[in-house]
Amino acid sequence: QKEVEQNSGPLSVPEGAIASLNCTYSDRGSQSFFWYRQYSGKSPELIMSIYSNGDKEDGRFTAQLNKASQYVSLLIRDSQPSDSATYLCAVSTGGYQKVTFGTGTKLQVIP
Amino acid sequence: GAVVSQHPSRVICKSGTSVKIECRSLDFQATTMFWYRQFPKKSLMLMATSNEGSKATYEQGVEKDKFLINHASLTLSTLTVTSAHPEDSSFYICSAPTSGDGTQYFGPGTRLLVL
Repeated sequence: QKEVEQNSGPLSVPEGAIASLNCTYSDRGSQSFFWYRQYSGKSPELIMSIYSNGDKEDGRFTAQLNKASQYVSLLIRDSQPSDSATYLCAVSTGGYQKVTFGTGTKLQVIP
Repeated sequence: GAVVSQHPSRVICKSGTSVKIECRSLDFQATTMFWYRQFPKKSLMLMATSNEGSKATYEQGVEKDKFLINHASLTLSTLTVTSAHPEDSSFYICSAPTSGDGTQYFGPGTRLLVL
């Protein structure tokens, strides 16, 4: 079983719609959860972090965490073509330990 | 967010030569840095954890004698690809955590092409 699982996609949504990206993880001791965006040919950039159950909103982005279900998601409202990228879910057990990345979900926003 | 730089951004070398890649944390100190490689359309693969003042920790299957890591200071880690071969051609990315919660910031990456 992979430690962090994501659907590879591609996930296609029309411009203006809500994109929903999902991630599950296996380590119940995980404490920190991150979403990174990676454009083709570029390195990942941090979008959001979330540490406690519930929702966390930042502009058009909302991260949702459910530790009981070992599930974290990212919602992108009013999707724009510039949001087209691969979204990486990452999980850490805390401290300066290495972060485990999922394989990423490719999002395509269709104009 | 925190800034991590990498140099060079792109390098082309002949087979058999060695290539050094630098990773610097510009506005914070990093006792730990991470080195990843990524093949086209594939996921990030953690190669090793670079530790300031001690030996690097390599992931299973990564040859420590081929990928030499030196964490010379609290702001600099280097990855040297020794005796490079075409199969070493890849996108190499470093990252550094800025706090105790696991948040990492990535460098812009180095694209290596071995001819």
